[in-house]
Amino acid sequence: KAGVTQTPRYLIKTRGQQVTLSCSPISGHRSVSWYQQTPGQGLQFLFEYFSETQRNKGNFPGRFSGRQFSNSRSEMNVSTLELGDSALYLCASSLAGAGQAKGYTFGSGTRLTVV
Amino acid sequence: DQQVKQNSPSLSVQEGRISILNCDYTNSMFDYFLWYKKYPAEGPTFLISISSIKDKNEDGRFTVFLNKSAKHLSLHIVPSQPGDSAVYFCAATKGLNAGNMLTFGGGTRLMVKP
Repeated sequence: KAGVTQTPRYLIKTRGQQVTLSCSPISGHRSVSWYQQTPGQGLQFLFEYFSETQRNKGNFPGRFSGRQFSNSRSEMNVSTLELGDSALYLCASSLAGAGQAKGYTFGSGTRLTVV
Repeated sequence: DQQVKQNSPSLSVQEGRISILNCDYTNSMFDYFLWYKKYPAEGPTFLISISSIKDKNEDGRFTVFLNKSAKHLSLHIVPSQPGDSAVYFCAATKGLNAGNMLTFGGGTRLMVKP
């Protein structure tokens, strides 16, 4: 079966712009989580969506938002980009949540560079 | 405040020897722990996990040990192979069946020399 698909793979944006990243989960998976990976902070949880509802939220400013559609595809949006938002953004999907260890599958990520 | 810490940013091991990667946590509410392996330009892939009701879980060359009193877990890879060279992340969560987030450590880069 197809894995978790994230688009685009690479993105360069200018400070102050906004960006939208997309994640298509594995077919049948209803939970989609987003993580930010930076060299200094490691992998940090952004938010989780389940059945179109945000179920968990990490400690990020309101500039970071997301949504999930009825087909479980998810998007995350970052407004008013800052240089520090440059990171690898990873999406993970599962049937129900992070506790389903083997079924919690990550995509390859979107590398965002803010200049 | 980092709730999950991997204090060794890198580890170099000879092929065939044992690799031991360590992880410490501070939140006593964590009850499920996972190890992920990550290659550059790829997402993390699940390696092995352990519930807080156990102190050891083994899967082939990989064994995870959990010491709850010390809030410490370790991943043993025996024997180490060059293909094991990657960044290893430990992660923790509260609740095996709930839709909870993973809290990751900062990662340890393992280099296995032929």
